[in-house]
Amino acid sequence: GQNIDQPTEMTATEGAIVQINCTYQTSGFNGLFWYQQHAGEAPTFLSYNVLDGLEEKGRFSSFLSRSKGYSYLLLKELQMKDSASYLCAVNLSGGSYIPTFGRGTSLIVHP
Amino acid sequence: NAGVTQTPKFRVLKTGQSMTLLCAQDMNHEYMYWYRQDPGMGLRLIHYSVGEGTTAKGEVPDGYNVSRLKKQNFLLGLESAAPSQTSVYFCASRGTADYEQYFGPGTRLTVT
Repeated sequence: GQNIDQPTEMTATEGAIVQINCTYQTSGFNGLFWYQQHAGEAPTFLSYNVLDGLEEKGRFSSFLSRSKGYSYLLLKELQMKDSASYLCAVNLSGGSYIPTFGRGTSLIVHP
Repeated sequence: NAGVTQTPKFRVLKTGQSMTLLCAQDMNHEYMYWYRQDPGMGLRLIHYSVGEGTTAKGEVPDGYNVSRLKKQNFLLGLESAAPSQTSVYFCASRGTADYEQYFGPGTRLTVT
């Protein structure tokens, strides 16, 4: 079976840095997605990593290590609006880019 | 440009009733997907389509049927609703050259 693990919940302080980890054990791997989902809303795309290393997009960065089956999402200069669920998903399907989602990490940012 | 829209936003069904959820996208995307999201379970793929007239099963297809008669629409049908189908249903679409999926706002379905 496919196993994608993330912490269920994390809390952090406004202005701080938080790292959300994701580990995966899957039959096949073509890339890893991160999505953000605010409560009661649709998921929105954050990043897609195929190669090992860190990719930065403004306050958000995503890291991938294929050999270790590990990724993390790094959020800097946290804002209250960053309180949301962060969904890690693995692309098992190659060119169809169909994500298989983990259960998500609920991030609570407090003042 | 509305993106991805879903109809209805909320629905309550009795066990055994049928209904159809409509997903529409105006981005000329080839790929469309139906997911369900349950507490503690994450998003799970029900069915998907790689183009007009084509459909394929995802991870949890039982109890659902789909149709893609027009490129812009993807319908999800429940022939005989069960309480286990109480969930939030999300539709998504993707362009051929993209890997990003664009999600609709969701349909909250309760089956009593």
